[in-house]
Amino acid sequence: DGGITQSPKYLFRKEGQNVTLSCEQNLNHDAMYWYRQDPGQGLRLIYYSQIVNDFQKGDIAEGYSVSREKKESFPLTVTSAQKNPTAFYLCASSIRGQAATNEKLFFGSGTQLSVL
Amino acid sequence: EDQVTQSPEALRLQEGESSSLNCSYTVSGLRGLFWYRQDPGKGPEFLFTLYSAGEEKEKERLKATLTKKESFLHITAPKPEDSATYLCAVQVGGNKLTFGTGTQLKVEL
Repeated sequence: DGGITQSPKYLFRKEGQNVTLSCEQNLNHDAMYWYRQDPGQGLRLIYYSQIVNDFQKGDIAEGYSVSREKKESFPLTVTSAQKNPTAFYLCASSIRGQAATNEKLFFGSGTQLSVL
Repeated sequence: EDQVTQSPEALRLQEGESSSLNCSYTVSGLRGLFWYRQDPGKGPEFLFTLYSAGEEKEKERLKATLTKKESFLHITAPKPEDSATYLCAVQVGGNKLTFGTGTQLKVEL
């Protein structure tokens, strides 16, 4: 079955530590996204990538980094500079990306990151 | 600034009790409005896209409508399996998506 796989499901970060969240898709989609979800807030865009080896900052990119070395993979690193990392992180993909209009997003099952 | 407001924040219905969820928006140049369903601990799942005022779309017990200022998600004769959080998102110029905070729906027997 085609879809988006996020791992791990739960992740704990110690102070000063960088952690990486994995996102893999086998939908052959060009675009991939990372969103952060906090209770009582709408989803907020962290980073997005429309093609391999290219990505753009979203609304809340500070303290995060990404890479897009393969079409299928878009890992997110939460760095120690992110002072409030506890949240539910969602990876998504779409067929063509923000160059297209009204593309629906396909989401993974999310990673819950907590601070120890 | 683009804003999306969903109401109510939470809604409890009895099985078979029809109701509507609201998504109001203030944006410049709406390109489309999306509805997603999110189950606890899962990622959102796409339901509908609406493009212009007056448009309606249906899927099983759900019907989405759009006006120039808001969208409604009507739930007819809901069942317990309809319990979820329903998210609304709007797409504007530059294709940026702005999400609302969602309506948490609980349908009881």
